[in-house]
Amino acid sequence: LAKTTQPISMDSYEGQEVNITCSHNNIATNDYITWYQQFPSQGPRFIIQGYKTKVTNEVASLFIPADRKSSTLSLPRVSLSDTAVYYCLVVGGTYKYIFGTGTRLKVLA
Amino acid sequence: KAGVTQTPRYLIKTRGQQVTLSCSPISGHRSVSWYQQTPGQGLQFLFEYFSETQRNKGNFPGRFSGRQFSNSRSEMNVSTLELGDSALYLCASSSGQSSYNSPLHFGNGTRLTVT
Repeated sequence: LAKTTQPISMDSYEGQEVNITCSHNNIATNDYITWYQQFPSQGPRFIIQGYKTKVTNEVASLFIPADRKSSTLSLPRVSLSDTAVYYCLVVGGTYKYIFGTGTRLKVLA
Repeated sequence: KAGVTQTPRYLIKTRGQQVTLSCSPISGHRSVSWYQQTPGQGLQFLFEYFSETQRNKGNFPGRFSGRQFSNSRSEMNVSTLELGDSALYLCASSSGQSSYNSPLHFGNGTRLTVT
């Protein structure tokens, strides 16, 4: 069963690029990696999903190395509104959803 | 399209009571999953339903149960409440039969407080 770990917190300044890494050493062949953003008193919101190499959408990029034991969420030019908790999710075997420990990102002016 | 709706938003119960939480998925979504979120344990998977069948279950005691109706709406029930059951309970729906690559769409949760 995959286990996922993330840094507890990160600080950044507005306009900088932020990279958040998730470690998932036991990821299985079929597992996808998904990242979510959560604001206080709200449910997590989908950011990006990938299986291998690199995926990019209008808000983020996701880098997955060949061994797939980690993944990195990249947020370009963060703003104050990006202050939130970010979770990686690995969908494990037989539909077990395993969330990372969460990274609290604080963006400073 | 309306998002995932969870009711009620807040609940206060006493130890030993039971509680039922409700979730209405996004229209057309057939998969519904439930999660418990606490400061200490983070986001933990409870169970998932697809077309009224429980597809998988997380590592929670039998006091936690759920069901899904033919219209894809889902309920979860917690019996014999304990103080440690105080948490934010989140429901998520997804569109695909395969949950491996179908993004989850979450409601804003039900905040349960057990006193």
